[in-house]
Amino acid sequence: DVKVTQSSRYLVKRTGEKVFLECVQDMDHENMFWYRQDPGLGLRLIYFSYDVKMKEKGDIPEGYSVSREKKERFSLILESASTNQTSMYLCASSLGLEDTGELFFGEGSRLTVL
Amino acid sequence: AQSVTQLDSQVPVFEEAPVELRCNYSSSVSVYLFWYVQYPNQGLQLLLKYLSGSTLVKGINGFEAEFNKSQTSFHLRKPSVHISDTAEYFCAVSDYGGATNKLIFGTGTLLAVQP
Repeated sequence: DVKVTQSSRYLVKRTGEKVFLECVQDMDHENMFWYRQDPGLGLRLIYFSYDVKMKEKGDIPEGYSVSREKKERFSLILESASTNQTSMYLCASSLGLEDTGELFFGEGSRLTVL
Repeated sequence: AQSVTQLDSQVPVFEEAPVELRCNYSSSVSVYLFWYVQYPNQGLQLLLKYLSGSTLVKGINGFEAEFNKSQTSFHLRKPSVHISDTAEYFCAVSDYGGATNKLIFGTGTLLAVQP
């Protein structure tokens, strides 16, 4: 089975802090994604990566950046956290080029910014 | 671009009753369709998927969905629900753009099963 592991399940940070959310997958998937989930809004794509060192903006990239130095690891960075970034963050991976788009998700990281 | 509509934000139902969660998508081309389930404080888990072939798709936990191309719908059904089915359910459609397929999600339907 594919396993996607998010390093922190719950985080509490202060406004202005730099926040790193880490995600690791163990099935050699090419694609990795970061979504945020908010009540009534569903899942919104922040960034995705289809190869090492490659990244593309999703629907809501403002205030976020990403890093993919190794195939199995995809990090989401909040350079200066703000209260409106309080949310559930979900990492996912998919097989790669020519795949169906099926995603495998981590358990989620619930971030609270005070 | 693709879009997905889940009209019902919440569906209350009694235990052992049947349930249908509605999903409509916007596309005139071939698509891949998915239903995911999210239990409280967990990530999303694949329930079932339609890629091609039979329009009736069976998934885990007794759920099934029917792909209807003419109505651009992919409704999820279960003939008899359990308390343990209480969760949020997300419909998703694949969207090819640029380098790879991405999934576009609906806003979710909370299934609340009451005893």
